[in-house]
Amino acid sequence: AQTVTQSQPEMSVQEAETVTLSCTYDTSESDYYLFWYKQPPSRQMILVIRQEAYKQQNATENRFSVNFQKAAKSFSLKISDSQLGDAAMYFCAYRSAFEYSGGGADGLTFGKGTHLIIQP
Amino acid sequence: DAGVIQSPRHEVTEMGQEVTLRCKPISGHDYLFWYRQTMMRGLELLIYFNNNVPIDDSGMPEDRFSAKMPNASFSTLKIQPSEPRDSAVYFCASKRLAGDSYEQYFGPGTRLTVT
Repeated sequence: AQTVTQSQPEMSVQEAETVTLSCTYDTSESDYYLFWYKQPPSRQMILVIRQEAYKQQNATENRFSVNFQKAAKSFSLKISDSQLGDAAMYFCAYRSAFEYSGGGADGLTFGKGTHLIIQP
Repeated sequence: DAGVIQSPRHEVTEMGQEVTLRCKPISGHDYLFWYRQTMMRGLELLIYFNNNVPIDDSGMPEDRFSAKMPNASFSTLKIQPSEPRDSAVYFCASKRLAGDSYEQYFGPGTRLTVT
């Protein structure tokens, strides 16, 4: 079974600064997807960014980027120019790529989350 | 698009009562997932469906939990009898097979409190 570990229960950053959230995972599969989800106090789960394991290029979405190190099984999220609206819980998640095999691997495996605080 | 719809948003019930949570996935989505979020265990997959058929229910904690998907636009998660340890936020999510095949869209969740 796959596991996802987020070792930082809480992080704090000054507004406009850059912060990096860590995530490591364990899997024996060679093809998979990795995600970062944001959960603000409203508790709505919002997809921030995704990475396909077969792509070497790191994904980027505006101020959000990832550092994907497949050999090290590491998937960190960098938030540049932090804004007050970025304050939330951030969850790293893993999903197998074998959705077409009928093997039942379509669900997401989540880390425990990192609470991000933005200091004004 | 209205997004994934869940009802009720909040549910408070007494131990031993039956609880039914409801979900309407995004129209055209082939997959439907039920997740549970607690402080202790985080977000866990309970069960998911593909084209209304349950594919993996290995995350369902015990026989008190059951889920159905009678048609493509509706699913229920039932707990009978409920216990205080079932208190959690329950999320429903859906996704398509084609196009954005790897993005799951989450509903707003149902906060369940069992006293």
